Amino acid sequence: GAGVSQSPSNKVTEKGKDVELRCDPISGHTALYWYRQRLGQGLEFLIYFQGNSAPDKSGLPSDRFSAERTGESVSTLTIQRTQQEDSAVYLCASSLGVVVSGAFFGQGTRLTVV
Amino acid sequence: DQQVKQNSPSLSVQEGRISILNCDYTNSMFDYFLWYKKYPAEGPTFLISISSIKDKNEDGRFTVFLNKSAKHLSLHIVPSQPGDSAVYFCAANRDDKIIFGKGTRLHILP
Repeated sequence: GAGVSQSPSNKVTEKGKDVELRCDPISGHTALYWYRQRLGQGLEFLIYFQGNSAPDKSGLPSDRFSAERTGESVSTLTIQRTQQEDSAVYLCASSLGVVVSGAFFGQGTRLTVV
Repeated sequence: DQQVKQNSPSLSVQEGRISILNCDYTNSMFDYFLWYKKYPAEGPTFLISISSIKDKNEDGRFTVFLNKSAKHLSLHIVPSQPGDSAVYFCAANRDDKIIFGKGTRLHILP
């Protein structure tokens, strides 16, 4: 596709369940980022991939969060044993690795934990 | 530790006037600074960037100014238009990691 695609667009899950969020970056983009935006807050950095490796996982809030990227394309963010504080919009972005031209964002996945 | 700070949560500006959005940062090692614009229910879109070795970058109605000694940057929009109403995020980059501020909501008044 032409842009960054995220699925699902909305997800409601029960506390304690696992969820998997998917990001399809723009073809050829080597860098991929995950951010989270809680209600009324800014964009919180979670993890960054360069190719299939993740040189910076410093933003992952706890060991319940993990992410992987395969084939230098699709990435999945997995949240295990979801908690209510995990409710947020999860945004994925990709770039050619030349940050001066900016990273392109998907529309996000709105996760609600009930 | 908030490395990129946008201290004004919101700003209202009359249509046609200049909008000035401010941003402060703490890490002098950032390479680039970027501004993003976000409409509700959409992902942020890239607006303009500036290298840390420059003090000004202009693109149409948008100009970003960088004051390294003060660790401060600003985005000027002139003239402001109704479609500029959105949340604006300031961001800074080092080693391909992009760190965002909390955003400023800009309201353009008719």
